[in-house]
Amino acid sequence: DSGVTQTPKHLITATGQRVTLRCSPRSGDLSVYWYQQSLDQGLQFLIQYYNGEERAKGNILERFSAQQFPDLHSELNLSSLELGDSALYFCASSLLVAGELFFGEGSRLTVL
Amino acid sequence: AQSVTQPDIHITVSEGASLELRCNYSYGATPYLFWYVQSPGQGLQLLLKYFSGDTLVQGIKGFEAEFKRSQSSFNLRKPSVHWSDAAEYFCAVVDNYGQNFVFGPGTRLSVLP
Repeated sequence: DSGVTQTPKHLITATGQRVTLRCSPRSGDLSVYWYQQSLDQGLQFLIQYYNGEERAKGNILERFSAQQFPDLHSELNLSSLELGDSALYFCASSLLVAGELFFGEGSRLTVL
Repeated sequence: AQSVTQPDIHITVSEGASLELRCNYSYGATPYLFWYVQSPGQGLQLLLKYFSGDTLVQGIKGFEAEFKRSQSSFNLRKPSVHWSDAAEYFCAVVDNYGQNFVFGPGTRLSVLP
């Protein structure tokens, strides 16, 4: 158990819909990262937050947004969903700015 | 921006045989390097990391990795593979500012009995 909690574990929705994925980092970790894992794209970095502030942005679509709240949990919002958004979405947290990441078990999103 | 390549998409070894998974990175300075393992349906688990110092680092489950600056490599090794080592292995690099934590495409390891 990494200490990182992601909900929901599985989510099935339709194209055009909007979903929110939630991540609770390990106790004390200030950094939260979001990744998308799909068969054809591998593990793609989406966005990083540090203590509530956006720190780095990767290949995140404009239809996606994220935020980190004062209690350090984070949410990833995916809107206008397309079939290609079907993937496993991982959250990871880190104590240090450049420390190792601890991953949650992921949220599997299926868009029909 | 930094990048990571893992030349081998899929490797098959027999149980008890030695293993080496290759990783090459691109970064202007000395990066922080990591190896992670992912079992089916699971999140990623850290095997080992290199920040500085001794270029041969030991990790969990009997794995080790060697940082070679001249070759921009950070290869993962294990002297004797167990069937439970079958999984996907990812090499990762992050810059010194903690931005752009980039993962390689992964190498899938299969273990024959």
